[in-house]
Amino acid sequence: DAKTTQPNSMESNEEEPVHLPCNHSTISGTDYIHWYRQLPSQGPEYVIHGLTSNVNNRMASLAIAEDRKSSTLILHRATLRDAAVYYCILRASNTGKLIFGQGTTLQVKP
Amino acid sequence: GAVVSQHPSWVICKSGTSVKIECRSLDFQATTMFWYRQFPKQSLMLMATSNEGSKATYEQGVEKDKFLINHASLTLSTLTVTSAHPEDSSFYICSAHSSGGPSGQYFGPGTRLTVL
Repeated sequence: DAKTTQPNSMESNEEEPVHLPCNHSTISGTDYIHWYRQLPSQGPEYVIHGLTSNVNNRMASLAIAEDRKSSTLILHRATLRDAAVYYCILRASNTGKLIFGQGTTLQVKP
Repeated sequence: GAVVSQHPSWVICKSGTSVKIECRSLDFQATTMFWYRQFPKQSLMLMATSNEGSKATYEQGVEKDKFLINHASLTLSTLTVTSAHPEDSSFYICSAHSSGGPSGQYFGPGTRLTVL
């Protein structure tokens, strides 16, 4: 299973944009890039996913590098409720398994 | 849509007893469900893949006789921790695969197991 590398922690100010990076240099052509986030004592929550093109939804945007070896999750205006652990995961299209890395703990300061 | 529930949300048991955790997809059918374990301040670790009507596939290092998985219907998978010991205390989370929706995989709220 291909691995991802994320910074352990990041800080942001409330109402400012946040860019969460993820490196996945061993990604294969059929791996989807998924982002989930997890609040303490809760199950992970889906944020966004993509394959090659940049993606936008109501929660966030996903910018995928042209060579697909890295991606960036963009929260356009961070709120206190966005404080969570963010996981960047490569999902193999054949197994569907999600293998979680260590994630990035995002702190949002008021 | 795509709601997954777990029951119980927390359980405390004595060492040596067995505990069953249920995972249900409430508004969709899931041929595949996944079970994870998460220790404090750590990431989720995939334990096994549960397929409806067939034996579960366990990840390397996970004892299949210790963690019994049954996926008897398209909406229910159960994880039984047999002869639980304090080191089995953890947060157990399931997810269910759905062919509809944006992500394809939806997570339950988790079950906190404490073994005394």
